Amino acid sequence: GQQLNQSPQSMFIQEGEDVSMNCTSSSIFNTWLWYKQDPGEGPVLLIALYKAGELTSNGRLTAQFGITRKDSFLNISASIPSDVGIYFCAGRPLNYGGSQGNLIFGKGTKLSVKP
Amino acid sequence: KAGVTQTPRYLIKTRGQQVTLSCSPISGHRSVSWYQQTPGQGLQFLFEYFSETQRNKGNFPGRFSGRQFSNSRSEMNVSTLELGDSALYLCASSLKPGLAGGYQETQYFGPGTRLLVL
Repeated sequence: GQQLNQSPQSMFIQEGEDVSMNCTSSSIFNTWLWYKQDPGEGPVLLIALYKAGELTSNGRLTAQFGITRKDSFLNISASIPSDVGIYFCAGRPLNYGGSQGNLIFGKGTKLSVKP
Repeated sequence: KAGVTQTPRYLIKTRGQQVTLSCSPISGHRSVSWYQQTPGQGLQFLFEYFSETQRNKGNFPGRFSGRQFSNSRSEMNVSTLELGDSALYLCASSLKPGLAGGYQETQYFGPGTRLLVL
């Protein structure tokens, strides 16, 4: 089945630093979504991208839908302790069908911030 | 507007039992999808319902089933529980199902039901 490669798997950063993470796929996607999940909770939607090249911000978060339609990036500027959590990318392949389901999720990037 | 709600939040069962989980979507959302999340496998798609019809199904055994009611609320059932079924079960709702395009298919998750099978 189709897979999303999300990197890095984990990262430790100093408070105030900028963070970057990305997801790549082997096929073209027509939707990219970024979620954050805190322990014991469901994923919370951060940013949704629907067009190639689209750049969208949500506060200190910025995400981009790659021009090739096979990747997406999430940047967090000036990180703070509450940014700790697991960030997931999710995408919908352009030509999905059958029993593969609708959204495909990356394995997540675990972000830890040193206060 | 209230978010997606799931009940119960926590559940402990023993092997061989069955369990039913409930999900109420965001008001106005008619599509409900279910996912299983485990540390090893991550988020895996179970099935999607729209207008009381299952539209898509993931690669899970027949012990996993679901249904959707006319008010868009959904339930999933797992029969003959196995230890490996221990997981966080997440429900997500959207205005419309996949291929609707754009914001209409964007999924919003509930808090999940943590199932522990002993």
